[in-house]
Amino acid sequence: DTGVSQDPRHKITKRGQNVTFRCDPISEHNRLYWYRQTLGQGPEFLTYFQNEAQLEKSRLLSDRFSAERPKGSFSTLEIQRTEQGDSAMYLCASSGEQTSTDTQYFGPGTRLTVL
Amino acid sequence: AQTVTQSQPEMSVQEAETVTLSCTYDTSENNYYLFWYKQPPSRQMILVIRQEAYKQQNATENRFSVNFQKAAKSFSLKISDSQLGDTAMYFCAFMTTSGGGADGLTFGKGTHLIIQP
Repeated sequence: DTGVSQDPRHKITKRGQNVTFRCDPISEHNRLYWYRQTLGQGPEFLTYFQNEAQLEKSRLLSDRFSAERPKGSFSTLEIQRTEQGDSAMYLCASSGEQTSTDTQYFGPGTRLTVL
Repeated sequence: AQTVTQSQPEMSVQEAETVTLSCTYDTSENNYYLFWYKQPPSRQMILVIRQEAYKQQNATENRFSVNFQKAAKSFSLKISDSQLGDTAMYFCAFMTTSGGGADGLTFGKGTHLIIQP
């Protein structure tokens, strides 16, 4: 068990560019979450996958955001036409299905800076 | 919709002292989970302790314990014998059980805890 990993750890991009982040959950976890955390705030839920199915999306997830989990393992979060307001830490978390709701384990995050 | 409120933006205590972090929440749900997560500077979020709403007994994990008052919708964290390594942002979080986990966690804004040597 190596924990949740995210790549890259830091990304600096220019406004208008597209960026993609990757999350590798704990191997036996079938649930995967994406959150966004801005400075001085708690994380905010973006989207949820159970296996490969995206079952829930927050209103925060605008049309420029898309997430996938093609084989129910790793997940990607893409932001198209980035804006300065997209600058934030993007966190990924995973959990198992031992009970109906399980504890989420977080990755180190990807810090995005849009210039 | 659920909300979580942490009314203490920052707290500072001396090493070895006991400190209590406050958290209140608002929900119409009856079954849910509550969590405290710790986020050290430039490091990832770590689970400190969790509480199931249906359990009357307060959760305890070594030096960390909670005071869960369901009727008052209050969920405070007590850290005993505080250590320098406890310095971090602490987030209170809520999760309903009715959605099967699909709704994610709702977090408070956090409390920055500083342990002074």
